[in-house]
Amino acid sequence: QKEVEQDPGPLSVPEGAIVSLNCTYSNSAFQYFMWYRQYSRKGPELLMYTYSSGNKEDGRFTAQVDKSSKYISLFIRDSQPSDSATYLCAMSYNTNAGKSTFGDGTTLTVKP
Amino acid sequence: EAGVVQSPRYKIIEKKQPVAFWCNPISGHNTLYWYRQNLGQGPELLIRYENEEAVDDSQLPKDRFSAERLKGVDSTLKIQPAELGDSAVYLCASSLGSIPNTEAFFGQGTRLTVV
Repeated sequence: QKEVEQDPGPLSVPEGAIVSLNCTYSNSAFQYFMWYRQYSRKGPELLMYTYSSGNKEDGRFTAQVDKSSKYISLFIRDSQPSDSATYLCAMSYNTNAGKSTFGDGTTLTVKP
Repeated sequence: EAGVVQSPRYKIIEKKQPVAFWCNPISGHNTLYWYRQNLGQGPELLIRYENEEAVDDSQLPKDRFSAERLKGVDSTLKIQPAELGDSAVYLCASSLGSIPNTEAFFGQGTRLTVV
């Protein structure tokens, strides 16, 4: 069993929809929780990171961490075609930059 | 400001041949990472450098993979000999350090196909 499991998708939604992306993990030592966006044939880029439990909001994006359930989510409001990409969750013990364990990604398509 | 630069972007080689990938991190970034990303999967860390020192190479298959970071700037990842299962995207990333609240920036990757 992998340390980080991500809902595999793919997801296809109409423009303007609310998108929910989710990951579960097994290692309770993880403290930093990241979401990366990866466009086709590009490297991942950091969207958001959260330390420990709680919520974090950045524009249309909201990250949630529930350490008691070992469950993290990324919500995208008012989704746009430009949000079409693969979203990767990642987790680390002691920093948001470092040895991160990634999920396998969820591919999202937002249709105009 | 230039991001993390990798070359080549694409490489096709026959099995048992050697191959090398090059990475130029963002200026001033002392931490450098090599990840491998198989199709449909997330990146997996191969090796992490703090300046010239490899501080985490537990996932690097040392029988055929080697890496170096001379002078603590550019880095090269080598595979010799390559196997069919090495086909993947090799990503380089860099960050100011491994302390909290720093961000790792990824290059576009080198897509390796072994035939």
